[in-house]
Amino acid sequence: AQSVTQLDSHVSVSEGTPVLLRCNYSSSYSPSLFWYVQHPNKGLQLLLKYTSAATLVKGINGFEAEFKKSETSFHLTKPSAHMSDAAEYFCVARSSNTGKLIFGQGTTLQVKP
Amino acid sequence: SQTIHQWPATLVQPVGSPLSLECTVEGTSNPNLYWYRQAAGRGLQLLFYSVGIGQISSEVPQNLSASRPQDRQFILSSKKLLLSDSGFYLCAWSAGDFSNQPQHFGDGTRLSIL
Repeated sequence: AQSVTQLDSHVSVSEGTPVLLRCNYSSSYSPSLFWYVQHPNKGLQLLLKYTSAATLVKGINGFEAEFKKSETSFHLTKPSAHMSDAAEYFCVARSSNTGKLIFGQGTTLQVKP
Repeated sequence: SQTIHQWPATLVQPVGSPLSLECTVEGTSNPNLYWYRQAAGRGLQLLFYSVGIGQISSEVPQNLSASRPQDRQFILSSKKLLLSDSGFYLCAWSAGDFSNQPQHFGDGTRLSIL
């Protein structure tokens, strides 16, 4: 069965420093992968998506992610954190069998001034 | 452009009362529609999905039901709420062709059961 694992439940960075949120997936097929961000009491906003085109995917707000098939990873990065980046981040895979979304458990990003 | 609306944003209901949460999508036709619940601790659980008017698939047995009376309207209901129904309810839509398109979420409804 497909699964998504976010390796860190909580990440803390200082404003202006790089952000790395780690995600591993398990799938027998080339998956569709997404990163979403959720601010408190808000819905999930799509940051970026990978759908078997370029392995380096650029998203909104300066975020990007690299699909590495050999490592089954899809880590989210940003060169310089902003205070407004503090939120919950979800790595999500789309099941190739059912089309349903498989969610990671989320990573809370804290940005310190 | 497409937009998704959910209301109300927050709701406080007594145990045993009925529930109706509404979700509408604009700017697209024949979307797939979804209801999720997000309990404290962040995980999202798929409750229902619909690929067309009157077509509802239930993912987990529970106290809730869903209906799709119009192409872009999705309603989550209950006849008698339980304490365990508390949570953050999210509606989402995706292109109705099972392609690689992502799901797009509404702003959610915070439901508290007293």
